[in-house]
Amino acid sequence: DVKVTQSSRYLVKRTGEKVFLECVQDMDHENMFWYRQDPGLGLRLIYFSYDVKMKEKGDIPEGYSVSREKKERFSLILESASTNQTSMYLCASSTKYEQYFGPGTRLTVT
Amino acid sequence: DAKTTQPTSMDCAEGRAANLPCNHSTISGNEYVYWYRQIHSQGPQYIIHGLKNNETNEMASLIITEDRKSSTLILPHATLRDTAVYYCIVRVGSGNTGKLIFGQGTTLQVKP
Repeated sequence: DVKVTQSSRYLVKRTGEKVFLECVQDMDHENMFWYRQDPGLGLRLIYFSYDVKMKEKGDIPEGYSVSREKKERFSLILESASTNQTSMYLCASSTKYEQYFGPGTRLTVT
Repeated sequence: DAKTTQPTSMDCAEGRAANLPCNHSTISGNEYVYWYRQIHSQGPQYIIHGLKNNETNEMASLIITEDRKSSTLILPHATLRDTAVYYCIVRVGSGNTGKLIFGQGTTLQVKP
């Protein structure tokens, strides 16, 4: 089975902290994605990557950056966390047709 | 913005077929229709996808109208574990570059 793992299920950070969310997939997928999910807004795409060292902005990239140094790992970085970044963060990797999601990280910024 | 319209919520009796409709009237000829579901506190799970023809797998069937402007996901024998939010998505782009844009989805409640 495809496995997408995320470093933490729950995370609490303070405003202004630098936050790293890690995602690892074990199926040698080229494509990886970061979404955030908020009540009433659904899933929104933050960034995605089609290959190592490649990245593309999604619909809401402001306040975020990403890193993909190895094929299996895609990191989401909050340079200076703010309270409006409190959310559920979901990572996914994909074949040509199917996206496989991780369990999510619920981040709270206080 | 999502290119699909779904009812906000639906109920279904356990053991009966659940039929979830989706409108995608602006779909382009090379865009696929995807269905995902999300059970509470989990990441979304792929169910099925299709282009023109009806599709069936071990989880569900997908019926796409001839004009491709709407589709229906069918869970043939719904169980309580099928209670989830179901997302109908039109895939923007093609091949490896295709993005998924999630809308609000339909909350399906399967009742005993």
